[in-house]
Amino acid sequence: QSVLTQPPSVSAAPGQKVTISCSGSSSNIGNNYVSWYQQLPGTAPKLLIYDNNKRPSGIPDRFSGSKSGTSATLGITGLQTGDEADYYCGTWDSSLSAGRVVFGGGTKLTVL
Amino acid sequence: EVQLVESGGGLVQPGRSLRLSCAASGFTFDDYAMHWVRQAPGKGLEWVSGISWNSGSIGYADSVKGRFTISRDNAKNSLYLQMNSLRAEDTALYYCAKDTSYSIVGATLDYWGQGTLVTVSS
Repeated sequence: QSVLTQPPSVSAAPGQKVTISCSGSSSNIGNNYVSWYQQLPGTAPKLLIYDNNKRPSGIPDRFSGSKSGTSATLGITGLQTGDEADYYCGTWDSSLSAGRVVFGGGTKLTVL
Repeated sequence: EVQLVESGGGLVQPGRSLRLSCAASGFTFDDYAMHWVRQAPGKGLEWVSGISWNSGSIGYADSVKGRFTISRDNAKNSLYLQMNSLRAEDTALYYCAKDTSYSIVGATLDYWGQGTLVTVSS
């Protein structure tokens, strides 16, 4: 059971828009920045969004992030077949005496 | 170009030990915190441990606390994970990842290695 909750899967047609949610609590998302990672099949995760809504150099503006309260959302517009991947949210969690990095369970995106 | 290259994985019997290494290049290693993240076959990402730039702050997942030890050698641009008392549930691909901050509290991992596979089985 992951500390952050994501839907197991989402799907949409090429060219369409999809959103992936990430739900947490005040000890993690509510008081810390959220990052999003893309993991293409057979590859290492790649940073997609950081500090809730910032994109690293080279990440197209089709990818966006937002945060409200204890939830965060990843948005992808103009879907391409190459976007098929697993997406993970991550943040710092301070609920225990020693903090920790926590991830969502991951969401598999299918581009139909 | 940032490169993170993990090594040291392999097949090990339950209860035995293994030491993973991560060789870093392409950035000023001692400016950043580093992490180990693992992924069991067909499963999601699980943070294992993190260490700040000067080893002054270290954190572990509850699942490995007391069994695993993270360390770094800034002179050698290297990160390590000493894994003792290994269990079947430790079987996973272990990634080394660079933080964007000197502190592990930032929890933003901007570069990842390709991983080294650890299989715990008799």
